[in-house]
Amino acid sequence: QKEVEQNSGPLSVPEGAIASLNCTYSDRGSQSFFWYRQYSGKSPELIMFIYSNGDKEDGRFTAQLNKASQYVSLLIRDSQPSDSATYLCAPTANDYKLSFGAGTTVTVRA
Amino acid sequence: EAQVTQNPRYLITVTGKKLTVTCSQNMNHEYMSWYRQDPGLGLRQIYYSMNVEVTDKGDVPEGYKVSRKEKRNFPLILESPSPNQTSLYFCASGSLWGGETQYFGPGTRLLVL
Repeated sequence: QKEVEQNSGPLSVPEGAIASLNCTYSDRGSQSFFWYRQYSGKSPELIMFIYSNGDKEDGRFTAQLNKASQYVSLLIRDSQPSDSATYLCAPTANDYKLSFGAGTTVTVRA
Repeated sequence: EAQVTQNPRYLITVTGKKLTVTCSQNMNHEYMSWYRQDPGLGLRQIYYSMNVEVTDKGDVPEGYKVSRKEKRNFPLILESPSPNQTSLYFCASGSLWGGETQYFGPGTRLLVL
């Protein structure tokens, strides 16, 4: 089974700070990388995806990918209380089999 | 509204009593999948389907069955539920032509006594 490791939480950050989430994966065949956000008791929702090495920015979110190091990260800038959720990393090898990490819970302190 | 629906949302049952959780999507997606989510274990794939009449096992298929007779529906069947199948279940769908983005249903919380 493909392994996906995320930094253990919970991660507590003050409002306005940067939250940094890390994810490593074992499957070198992974080509696409997804970040999902999941509020407590709700379903996962896609917030970012990245296919190429480097950075991808979307609003306050920046995904960073380094395939050689098998590492993908998510930065949340100007963290807001509404960002308090669990973030799931999901690499896939283009076969639609998403392998999810256990998630990192982020709490933004007002 | 584009969505994935699941029913029931909550279910309490007893060991051995067959049950079906329905999943339906209105986005004409080819791909559909079932996941279970357990504390500390994250989301694990149970079964998936690439199109009508095409299904395959995910990582934890034991104790589950699925069928894909229509493109929009992908029911999950537990023939003889056991307490270790107590979990939160999500159905998801995606287009084969839109990358690997998957859209999740609202979830079904199942308790097997």
